[in-house]
Formats: sequence, C-alpha cells, structure tokens
Amino acid sequence: DADVTQTPRNRITKTGKRIMLECSQTKGHDRMYWYRQDPGLGLRLIYYSFDVKDINKGEISDGYSVSRQAQAKFSLSLESAIPNQTALYFCATSDPSAASGEQYFGPGTRLTVT
Amino acid sequence: QQPVQSPQAVILREGEDAVINCSSSKALYSVHWYRQKHGEAPVFLMILLKGGEQKGHEKISASFNEKKQQSSLYLTASQLSYSGTYFCGTSRKDSGGSNYKLTFGKGTLLTVNP
Repeated sequence: DADVTQTPRNRITKTGKRIMLECSQTKGHDRMYWYRQDPGLGLRLIYYSFDVKDINKGEISDGYSVSRQAQAKFSLSLESAIPNQTALYFCATSDPSAASGEQYFGPGTRLTVT
Repeated sequence: QQPVQSPQAVILREGEDAVINCSSSKALYSVHWYRQKHGEAPVFLMILLKGGEQKGHEKISASFNEKKQQSSLYLTASQLSYSGTYFCGTSRKDSGGSNYKLTFGKGTLLTVNP
C-alpha cells in the first residue's frame, strides 16, 4: 500500500462549489504539506503543518483552507472554487528528525473547475 | 521568490551528459533536487546543506556554491530512465535556517532519446 494517499485522484467541479481534497499517510511523519502544480510554474506551497495544532500558510494560501484532523490526515478545502484553481494538487510529508528533509509526495489530485 | 532554473528544457541522446542549474537571489540554507516523471509524483534525489558540498546518486551528482547561491545537477552518461522534469527546491537562511519550507523552481524538462 502507498505511504501517502490522496482522494479523490480526479475531480471536476463547478465554479462556486466547496470542495475538499484529502490526504492520508502511514509514514508516521509529523510534517505535512499541500502544494499545487501548474504547467510551467513548478510546485507552489499552499499550507504546511508541523502537527495537529500547528498550521502555517504557504506562499499561495488565499482561497484555500486546511484541517489537520490527526497526525495522519491533512485536508485541503476550496471554499468557493474558481477556474483559476484548476491544477494538480500534491500532498507531501516529511520526518522532522531526518537530516535530509526529504519530502514524500502523494500521487496527486487533478482538479478541474469549470 | 522562486529560484531560477536553466535550461527550461534539454534533449539528449542516451549516453550524453547534461547540467541543470538553479540560482537564487536570496541567501540559501539548503538546496534539494527532485525528479518527476510524467504523470507521477516528484521523487527526492538529494539535498545539499553546505557550501561546496557535492553529492552523488548513481550517475547523478550535484554541487552547491553557497557564495553564489547556486546549485548544479550533473547527469552523466544519461539513461532513458533519466527522462523527466527536474526541480530544485531551496530553503532560505532568513527562514530560520531549516530545510522543511521549500520554494521550488519551475523545473527543467529532460528528454533522453535512444
């Protein structure tokens, strides 16, 4: 089984709808991240969390919110989706005790807002 | 502010070498390299923490010039499996000297042909 899973893998929604993307991990890592990827723009950090009570904004948090329900679960919400939020979304985790700082990415959720 | 990667794309024949550069206008704490194959999640290659540090991973190696705020990824005797998009991720010294909050470049698309 995959260590970092994301649901759904694909989603088409309409402008104005609220949508939640979910991320679960079995790696036991405290740190979790949400990124979006747009063609030609690389990966941009939306939110990150060090533990259940510690959530921080990334570089592009406007229009998004997150919830860390447990160490293993980190959800990303779009309160009122807009076409500009059409993108590939990745969840990632890392172990704070690992010197490498390696981030482990989930398979991604492709979101289309029409 | 995103680090700048160059070139944006490169096409090689199997066995040829390539260099991918990553530069920042800010003082860097660390540089991370990831590879993303088409339709897949990014995968960690290596981290460089100290100026002058060089590391290797199979026939892929990297260097970090802290003074110039630059890193280079070297791919030697390229194989078909090296094809993908390479991203550098940087953490800044003014972010507390940690390696968890990364800013990724836009990526370099590497294509290796037979």
